[in-house]
Amino acid sequence: DSGVTQTPKHLITATGQRVTLRCSPRSGDLSVYWYQQSLDQGLQFLIHYYNGEERAKGNILERFSAQQFPDLHSELNLSSLELGDSALYFCASRPDLGQYYGYTFGSGTRLTVV
Amino acid sequence: TQLLEQSPQFLSIQEGENLTVYCNSSSVFSSLQWYRQEPGEGPVLLVTVVTGGEVKKLKRLTFQFGDARKDSSLHITAAQTGDTGLYLCAGAKNSGGYQKVTFGIGTKLQVIP
Repeated sequence: DSGVTQTPKHLITATGQRVTLRCSPRSGDLSVYWYQQSLDQGLQFLIHYYNGEERAKGNILERFSAQQFPDLHSELNLSSLELGDSALYFCASRPDLGQYYGYTFGSGTRLTVV
Repeated sequence: TQLLEQSPQFLSIQEGENLTVYCNSSSVFSSLQWYRQEPGEGPVLLVTVVTGGEVKKLKRLTFQFGDARKDSSLHITAAQTGDTGLYLCAGAKNSGGYQKVTFGIGTKLQVIP
């Protein structure tokens, strides 16, 4: 157990639907990062929140959004889902914004859009 | 085009063999990490290297950061079936005061008993 909790583990939904992925960072970590992993693209950075505020955006589609709540858990919302959104979605956390020494990842949510 | 190129992409070896995987870039990184990912799980951090030429050892795994901080290698001695997994490298660089992290696509290692 890495200390980063992601739910659900698996999600199957139809095209056009909307889903919410949830992440609780490791205790004491203020930063939450969302990544998408597909076979041909590897790990792609989506968005970063620090202590409730958005800090950076990566290759995140307009159909996707995220937020971080006062208790530091984060949610990634995916809407108008397309077949190509099927992927593994990972949340990662780290303590602060200082020198980067690595992330702690959750075990991911496998999203299948049918 | 990947900022971080990992090679080989796939590697299948017999238990007991040695292997080296590479992570190359034309960019300079402030630090570089290696992760191992097993099926159905998230990547797990193995090591961080920050100084050019730095060598770190983790049991049978030896990590080296290139002198120019643009590349890295991971050498595994006497591979075991438990080493099977996807090995990812990630480089961090400062961009406008923000630490931007880029992952390579990974080397998928299979160790056959």
